[in-house]
Amino acid sequence: ETGVTQTPRHLVMGMTNKKSLKCEQHLGHNAMYWYKQSAKKPLELMFVYNFKEQTENNSVPSRFSPECPNSSHLFLHLHTLQPEDSALYLCASSQTRDSPLHFGNGTRLTVT
Amino acid sequence: ILNVEQSPQSLHVQEGDSTNFTCSFPSSNFYALHWYRWETAKSPEALFVMTLNGDEKKKGRISATLNTKEGYSYLYIKGSQPEDSATYLCAFIRGGADGLTFGKGTHLIIQP
Repeated sequence: ETGVTQTPRHLVMGMTNKKSLKCEQHLGHNAMYWYKQSAKKPLELMFVYNFKEQTENNSVPSRFSPECPNSSHLFLHLHTLQPEDSALYLCASSQTRDSPLHFGNGTRLTVT
Repeated sequence: ILNVEQSPQSLHVQEGDSTNFTCSFPSSNFYALHWYRWETAKSPEALFVMTLNGDEKKKGRISATLNTKEGYSYLYIKGSQPEDSATYLCAFIRGGADGLTFGKGTHLIIQP
């Protein structure tokens, strides 16, 4: 149990589907993050939320839409994805920007 | 574009031997440097957060050093054990940013 829970663990979706990834942290942290891990690439920062406010959008296409209703929950809404969006999507949280990140186990996404 | 480079990409080490690997990052506008260990089928786990030039941190048999002026950090593992097998990630955060930029990692395999 990592303190950061992601669901689902695996997701297969077609290019016309709409789906959402969910992340929940039980650590009382103020910042939450979405990262993407593609094959043979480093972890890529997608979005940062501090105190529910989005503070970074790392040039992510609009087919990825984040939502942070409160400091404990973070969603990533997906629509009209492309096969190249297939990757491991990791959620993380931290107390402050000085603090280490706590990661969830990730959602393995396959777009067909 | 920020580049965080890690070398070597992969490393095979005999059990009981000591080893080290490198992370290089932009030396301007430095804020913090993180190290993470990522074991297969688990989520990345924080090892160290380092902020000061000359910093040295230690956790059991693992230690790290930081040189912010020249933009590099070393991670050392003393007396490698099979459970040290993992991918070791370093990540850099610059002043004014909220998210980490990760390197591709060093994949360490400890051979019994």
